[in-house]
Amino acid sequence: DSGVTQTPKHLITATGQRVTLRCSPRSGDLSVYWYQQSLDQGLQFLIQYYNGEERAKGNILERFSAQQFPDLHSELNLSSLELGDSALYFCASSVSAGASYNEQFFGPGTRLTVL
Amino acid sequence: AQSVAQPEDQVNVAEGNPLTVKCTYSVSGNPYLFWYVQYPNRGLQFLLKYITGDNLVKGSYGFEAEFNKSQTSFHLKKPSALVSDSALYFCAVRRWMDSSYKLIFGSGTRLLVRP
Repeated sequence: DSGVTQTPKHLITATGQRVTLRCSPRSGDLSVYWYQQSLDQGLQFLIQYYNGEERAKGNILERFSAQQFPDLHSELNLSSLELGDSALYFCASSVSAGASYNEQFFGPGTRLTVL
Repeated sequence: AQSVAQPEDQVNVAEGNPLTVKCTYSVSGNPYLFWYVQYPNRGLQFLLKYITGDNLVKGSYGFEAEFNKSQTSFHLKKPSALVSDSALYFCAVRRWMDSSYKLIFGSGTRLLVRP
C-alpha cells in the first residue's frame, strides 16, 4: 500500500458528461501528479500541483482541469467526455516540488469507461 | 525525440534464470533514471533510481540496474527470476520540458516468468 488513495475505483459514464476524480496524497507529501494510462498512448503525465499551486503541465487537454485543496487532496475534472478518454487515471505524490530525484508514490488508479 | 525507450514489448524467462529488461535514454546533461513496476490492477511501484555515484544501483525485491553512460542505457536486472516478478516494468527519465522537470515514462515491458 503506497499510502495514496484514489476514488472512485471505477467510473462508467456517457460521452459528453463530466466527472471528478479524487486523490489523497501520502501523509507529508506536498506534490500531487496526475497521469493517464491508455493502451495506445502509454503512461502520460497530465499535471502536477505542489502545495496548492500548479507546478508543471503535461499533455493535459483543455477539457480537463485539476486543483489541489488546502488539505492537499486533489481533484481531476474531466468534461465533455469522449470515447478516447477511457483510460486508467493515476494520481501520484512525492515530498518535493520538482519531479527531480524523489520517487513518486502511485495510487491504485481510477478506471474510467466512457460509453 | 523520444526521451526513454524500452525496445522490448515482452520478455520471457524461466524461473531461476537471470533476467534483463532494457532501457535506453536520450536527454541532455546528467540523467536521473528510474524503474517502476506495475502489477495487475495496481498502481506503479518504485523499484530503484540512479541520480549519481555508483553505476550499479540496487533496489527493491532483489532488482538492480546498471547505468552505462557511453551506451545511454539503464537496464534492469535480477540474478534469479521468480514467477511473482511477472508484471509490467517502466523505465523513466527526468526531462526539462516547458519550464519544469517532468518524469517521462517508457512504453513499458511486460515480463513473463514461467515456472
